[in-house]
Amino acid sequence: AQKVTQAQTEISVVEKEDVTLDCVYETRDTTYYLFWYKQPPSGELVFLIRRNSFDEQNEISGRYSWNFQKSTSSFNFTITASQVVDSAVYFCALSADNYGQNFVFGPGTRLSVLP
Amino acid sequence: DTGVSQDPRHKITKRGQNVTFRCDPISEHNRLYWYRQTLGQGPEFLTYFQNEAQLEKSRLLSDRFSAERPKGSFSTLEIQRTEQGDSAMYLCASSFSFRRDRNEKLFFGSGTQLSVL
Repeated sequence: AQKVTQAQTEISVVEKEDVTLDCVYETRDTTYYLFWYKQPPSGELVFLIRRNSFDEQNEISGRYSWNFQKSTSSFNFTITASQVVDSAVYFCALSADNYGQNFVFGPGTRLSVLP
Repeated sequence: DTGVSQDPRHKITKRGQNVTFRCDPISEHNRLYWYRQTLGQGPEFLTYFQNEAQLEKSRLLSDRFSAERPKGSFSTLEIQRTEQGDSAMYLCASSFSFRRDRNEKLFFGSGTQLSVL
């Protein structure tokens, strides 16, 4: 069975601080995909990144960076110099085949960035 | 392109009533998904359509739930005889998927928040 754990339920930081959101996953598949989505107060999930299990390179996109480590089954997300607009719920998700019907989402981490 | 639209944004109903939600996907997206999200949890898959065909239903989708996608465009999700446990956010997502293309990317709507009193 597949499972995604986001142990941090809520995190509060002050603007300009760096923050890391943890994601640990479980799967027996050798090929799989990992995702991060952002859910702002408006409700829609906004796609941030997708990685497949064969690509362990870390990725940086502006203030966002992701650290994928298969050895520890983790896919952590770091926001550098956080901003108030980063306040949202962040979901980590896992899929064996990248098809929407097979997505398994974690419970989410609510990030509050205070001015 | 206005993205995925869902209507209504909020719905309050009494237990036992029927409710219907609508989702308008991004035009030319052939796949449409419904998810349910309860407080403090991530979305859970309910069902999906490839064009007008409903191809898969989760065990979460009880007999009181029915979804349609006539003509492969908008979709409706109906819940009959609502129960308090049905209270949740119902999210719709759409994508364009060609055969076994694994580059499918989901675009989500803002959801319909259902409260059953």
